[in-house]
Amino acid sequence: GGIITQTPKFLIGQEGQKLTLKCQQNFNHDTMYWYRQDSGKGLRLIYYSITENDLQKGDLSEGYDASREKKSSFSLTVTSAQKNEMAVFLCASSPTNSGNTLYFGEGSRLIVV
Amino acid sequence: AQKVTQTQTSISVVEKTTVTMDCVYETRDSSYFLFWYKQTASGEIVFLIRQDSYKKENATVGHYSLNFQKPKSSIGLIITATQIEDSAVYFCAMREGPYTGYQNFYFGKGTSLTVIP
Repeated sequence: GGIITQTPKFLIGQEGQKLTLKCQQNFNHDTMYWYRQDSGKGLRLIYYSITENDLQKGDLSEGYDASREKKSSFSLTVTSAQKNEMAVFLCASSPTNSGNTLYFGEGSRLIVV
Repeated sequence: AQKVTQTQTSISVVEKTTVTMDCVYETRDSSYFLFWYKQTASGEIVFLIRQDSYKKENATVGHYSLNFQKPKSSIGLIITATQIEDSAVYFCAMREGPYTGYQNFYFGKGTSLTVIP
């Protein structure tokens, strides 16, 4: 078994501030993901990475940067926080083999004041 | 256009009855995978069940089963003998391109299930 740890659980920042969320996994999975969950809108992909130092943009990448410096970690930066992007951010990982499911972290809630 | 669509926003059922949640998807791939996830009130998201597109038999795990209708691009989740703890939001998801390294999962917007005693 393994676990995905997201920090912090709550991230509070001011409008316009650069804010970073971190994610660690000990599954030894190749692929990692960042999703944003807004109420009533399901999960939307921001970035994913299929290996160390790889980055792939999802549908919602504008306004975000990501970094995969190690296989086990994947960070997401909100480049300029806005009040309309308060949401829950979910990190997930998956083996590369076809058909394997995603494993999710517990989520990080972004609050912009 | 949405690749995965769940039209039911919320459903309420009486405990111990059967419920079906609908999901339709859109893909050009000949091979793909379909998943259902459950998100509890705490926010935790767990994997429930998976259907491989090349398999004709409907997947079954415990009291979860799938109704896979490939010609209709439909993958319904059936929960039999529902329990109070089944109350949650259920997401349908699709994974395309398993052999090309394309790793994107597409999610529906979710269906909120309430099981009433």
